[in-house]
Amino acid sequence: EAEVAQSPRYKITEKSQAVAFWCDPISGHATLYWYRQILGQGPELLVQFQDESVVDDSQLPKDRFSAERLKGVDSTLKIQPAELGDSAMYLCASSLRQVRTAGELFFGEGSRLTVL
Amino acid sequence: ELKVEQNPLFLSMQEGKNYTIYCNYSTTSDRLYWYRQDPGKSLESLFVLLSNGAVKQEGRLMASLDTKARLSTLHITAAVHDLSATYFCAVDGRYGNKLVFGAGTILRVKS
Repeated sequence: EAEVAQSPRYKITEKSQAVAFWCDPISGHATLYWYRQILGQGPELLVQFQDESVVDDSQLPKDRFSAERLKGVDSTLKIQPAELGDSAMYLCASSLRQVRTAGELFFGEGSRLTVL
Repeated sequence: ELKVEQNPLFLSMQEGKNYTIYCNYSTTSDRLYWYRQDPGKSLESLFVLLSNGAVKQEGRLMASLDTKARLSTLHITAAVHDLSATYFCAVDGRYGNKLVFGAGTILRVKS
C-alpha cells in the first residue's frame, strides 16, 4: 500500500540550530501539505503545495520557516533558527488533487521535533 | 475564519457502553472528515462525509453530517478497549481549500 514517507522520525536539537524535515508523498499526488501538531492539539496547516507551487503559506512563520517542493514531488521543511516553541510533531500529507475535489488526505508518520 | 470545535475533549467510558462525540464548525462547508490518532502515531482516515445527511459506518463507529446545523457526530456503539485513541474531525472550508482540524477527543475505554 502506498504511503507518505517522512524523515527523520525523531529529531532533538538545541535552540538556534537549523533543522530540516523531508517528505515524499504518495506517487501521483499533486497536492502536498505540511501540518504542525503541538502536543494535545489538532494539526495546523503550515503550507500547502500544488505541484511545485505554494498555494497557501499564510500560517508559516516565514522569518524562520521555509518550505520547498522544487520538482513537484518530494518536499523539505526547514526551520532556522529553531526555538523552544517549535517543539511539535510535523506531519506531511498528500492528496490526489486539492482538498476541494480530492476528498481525502493521507498522512505520513510524522517527524517529532524536540528543541532543548 | 473557519473554527472547528469538538466535545467532549476527553471521554472515559466503560466497555460495552455507547457514546457520541460532537463536532461543530463555524462557516458553511459540505465536507467533513474524521481521523483517528494513536499515541505517537500519525492520523488514520476513518470517514469522509461529502454531503448533507451523509452517514457512514465502520464496525462500532458511525459518523453523520448535518450541514445545516454545521454539526457532525461520531457515535460509538458497544465500546471496546481497541477504540481507545484520539479522534479528530476536520472541516474543508468552502473557499479555503484546506482542512481545519478540531482539538481532538481523547477516548479511553476501560474494561
